Amino acid sequence: DGGITQSPKYLFRKEGQNVTLSCEQNLNHDAMYWYRQDPGQGLRLIYYSQIVNDFQKGDIAEGYSVSREKKESFPLTVTSAQKNPTAFYLCACRDRGIQPQHFGDGTRLSIL
Amino acid sequence: GESVGLHLPTLSVQEGDNSIINCAYSNSASDYFIWYKQESGKGPQFIIDIRSNMDKRQGQRVTVLLNKTVKHLSLQIAATQPGDSAVYFCAENEAQKLVFGQGTRLTINP
Repeated sequence: DGGITQSPKYLFRKEGQNVTLSCEQNLNHDAMYWYRQDPGQGLRLIYYSQIVNDFQKGDIAEGYSVSREKKESFPLTVTSAQKNPTAFYLCACRDRGIQPQHFGDGTRLSIL
Repeated sequence: GESVGLHLPTLSVQEGDNSIINCAYSNSASDYFIWYKQESGKGPQFIIDIRSNMDKRQGQRVTVLLNKTVKHLSLQIAATQPGDSAVYFCAENEAQKLVFGQGTRLTINP
């Protein structure tokens, strides 16, 4: 059954700690995306990747980093430089052409 | 479950009535628009899409209308059911990236 999987569902970060959120897809889609969602707001783009070994900053990239070493994987690291990391993080992927993005079920990150 | 949005615009409808959710978009050059449904604690789920060369598209119980003159998008849900309760987002495609609206919370009254 094809899809996009995010893990873990819940994650806690200590002050000064980096944490990595996992996103894996088996849809063979080229493009992958990371969004942040805060209460009362829509989704804001953090980073995106159109192809393996290439990625671009979105609107709120500061304090985050990504890698795209494999087509199916696009992990997001929330670094200690991100001073307000508490949010719901969503990963998406998209096939070539004018197509909708397909989302995972998110990771909720909280500060201890 | 967790709340997706605490201060979203809210639309309340009676079960069985039709729902109309509106969205204003910003970029007149956007060529593709999508409606998503998001339930509490889950990721957005694709509902229906429309390209800029169309003004109406119908799916199962849903219709999307696009008015490019006033940059307005609407989602109509026929015979609203309790399972339709969720937050609904419109998104416009700009250079292979999606720009999302704030969202509208749809609640169903029995």
